[in-house]
Amino acid sequence: DTEVTQTPKHLVMGMTNKKSLKCEQHMGHRAMYWYKQKAKKPPELMFVYSYEKLSINESVPSRFSPECPNSSLLNLHLHALQPEDSALYLCASSQIMRSGANVLTFGAGSRLTVL
Amino acid sequence: DAKTTQPPSMDCAEGRAANLPCNHSTISGNEYVYWYRQIHSQGPQYIIHGLKNNETNEMASLIITEDRKSSTLILPHATLRDTAVYYCTRPLGRLYFGRGTQLTVWP
Repeated sequence: DTEVTQTPKHLVMGMTNKKSLKCEQHMGHRAMYWYKQKAKKPPELMFVYSYEKLSINESVPSRFSPECPNSSLLNLHLHALQPEDSALYLCASSQIMRSGANVLTFGAGSRLTVL
Repeated sequence: DAKTTQPPSMDCAEGRAANLPCNHSTISGNEYVYWYRQIHSQGPQYIIHGLKNNETNEMASLIITEDRKSSTLILPHATLRDTAVYYCTRPLGRLYFGRGTQLTVWP
């Protein structure tokens, strides 16, 4: 299995809702990432987990709450979002190669619309 | 200080080689350069990476200048399916994406 699977593909939520995005990989990768991508912009890094511990938080608002329950799963819990949070949310995973290179494998993304 | 600099857009005729440049003049000696591409509304797809030597795989070739300040991604025979945004990236401890180059391959 060489894929990163993200669910749901599309999500519409109100500003008072609580929802979660899920990401799963079975490649044995020990680093997992959340990126946010607005239309016509590059992906922006949000969080990095390394060996199931949060290693990087790019000053993301607390209404986004990541969770890594085990080495294969990554969740992004969403609460009290704003319409400007509407975006494509991308999950990725990686493993450092023997050469030292770090190649990311991305999922197809979850398209979030906040009403 | 831009991490990487790429032209915003390029065109290429189908069947011809597409050469996409990237400037990474502040790269350090042990930093890899990675190339990804993103077809509309899909997740980015890894293409190739390199450190000092030129690299080739089934998708593309990567030419890195001797001073490592720039590189060129070469798609030897571009097809319509290669139309995408191409990102040249550096890790800098975490993988940042610049604005990338929108490559349009026309028939």
